[in-house]
Amino acid sequence: GAGVSQTPSNKVTEKGKYVELRCDPISGHTALYWYRQSLGQGPEFLIYFQGTGAADDSGLPNDRFFAVRPEGSVSTLKIQRTERGDSAVYLCASSLLASSYNEQFFGPGTRLTVL
Amino acid sequence: AQKVTQAQTEISVVEKEDVTLDCVYETRDTTYYLFWYKQPPSGELVFLIRRNSFDEQNEISGRYSWNFQKSTSSFNFTITASQVVDSAVYFCAPPTGGGNKLTFGTGTQLKVEL
Repeated sequence: GAGVSQTPSNKVTEKGKYVELRCDPISGHTALYWYRQSLGQGPEFLIYFQGTGAADDSGLPNDRFFAVRPEGSVSTLKIQRTERGDSAVYLCASSLLASSYNEQFFGPGTRLTVL
Repeated sequence: AQKVTQAQTEISVVEKEDVTLDCVYETRDTTYYLFWYKQPPSGELVFLIRRNSFDEQNEISGRYSWNFQKSTSSFNFTITASQVVDSAVYFCAPPTGGGNKLTFGTGTQLKVEL
């Protein structure tokens, strides 16, 4: 079956602009996660959804970052007033349920470059 | 506080050698899970295995095997007869903070050469 998909695969923007990153999880997966990976580092947690609600957004770095999942499937990560430090690969993952037992399956990521 | 340590930053081996990757997870939890992921040069994270802390038996899947030692909180991952296609960054990642979000180690870059 289809895996997690993310669009766009690459996004180049200018400092101060607004961007939206999209994630389409595996069908039937109720939990959806966003991570950010900087060069040479492991992914860092940003936020996760169980269904439509954000269950834990403790990893969002500041209020410029926001994510939604209005129908419990596709999610959009939104970044306002982008800064050069936001440049990274943004990874989305989904799992059957949000539990420590269920493995998370990752998408290919969106590489964001802020000039 | 919980802490994930992958002390090996980079390992280089010649094809067909066995290689072991180390992961130490320090936590006050008595039972927990830990996941291993592979990130090849293409960049996509690939799930390899889930292990739990109450099972200290070795697990073998093809050329891969995993060993957990509770006394040292070490989850070790061994690749037997390594191949060039095994070249990747390997991450161990326990679920933390309520059991849902993964906390990744810094990863071990494995390079397998001919």
